[in-house]
Amino acid sequence: GAVVSQHPSWVICKSGTSVKIECRSLDFQATTMFWYRQFPKQSLMLMATSNEGSKATYEQGVEKDKFLINHASLTLSTLTVTSAHPEDSSFYICSARENPGQGTYNSPLHFGNGTRLTVT
Amino acid sequence: GESVGLHLPTLSVQEGDNSIINCAYSNSASDYFIWYKQESGKGPQFIIDIRSNMDKRQGQRVTVLLNKTVKHLSLQIAATQPGDSAVYFCAENTGGFKTIFGAGTRLFVKA
Repeated sequence: GAVVSQHPSWVICKSGTSVKIECRSLDFQATTMFWYRQFPKQSLMLMATSNEGSKATYEQGVEKDKFLINHASLTLSTLTVTSAHPEDSSFYICSARENPGQGTYNSPLHFGNGTRLTVT
Repeated sequence: GESVGLHLPTLSVQEGDNSIINCAYSNSASDYFIWYKQESGKGPQFIIDIRSNMDKRQGQRVTVLLNKTVKHLSLQIAATQPGDSAVYFCAENTGGFKTIFGAGTRLFVKA
């Protein structure tokens, strides 16, 4: 089955530093990947859609200069949390679906195992 | 903004019993719905999905019911096992390819 790998699984950084999280589709190509954020005991909130070879699309209220997304290949998207602050501490999860057939996106997302970011 | 599943209830069931997890969605234009299971510290795992032209779909031990009239989804788990303990999210495809998650339900299975 389709596997999404995310790295690192956890990271602790100091306030003001930047952290990069990688998301890879291991056995399929993904022109689009999705980044979610999850606070404890809450649901997943969509942050942005990562588009291979073009700019990411951010959801309302998500700072694009704060959360830099790069999708340089069909199997890799990266999320960089810039100048991290304690309020950025969260669980970040990426996902992708195998390239859908023409005209439909009605297939499930495959998720990585998330990255636990703690900013001290 | 749009939301799916406006509450986060907790469901506790006895091992072997059937579980029913409910979800309300708000976007009547959504045409695809998915249930995910999330274990602690992991990403969501696909369980079952259903398209809007169906009202029921069965998998192995799981059934999803869709009532478009009242915008309601349910997940039924037969013969619930301790390994089913997790948080369950319903989600919908909205705006074509974006998947929006509901608030989730925590399922506890008592042995």
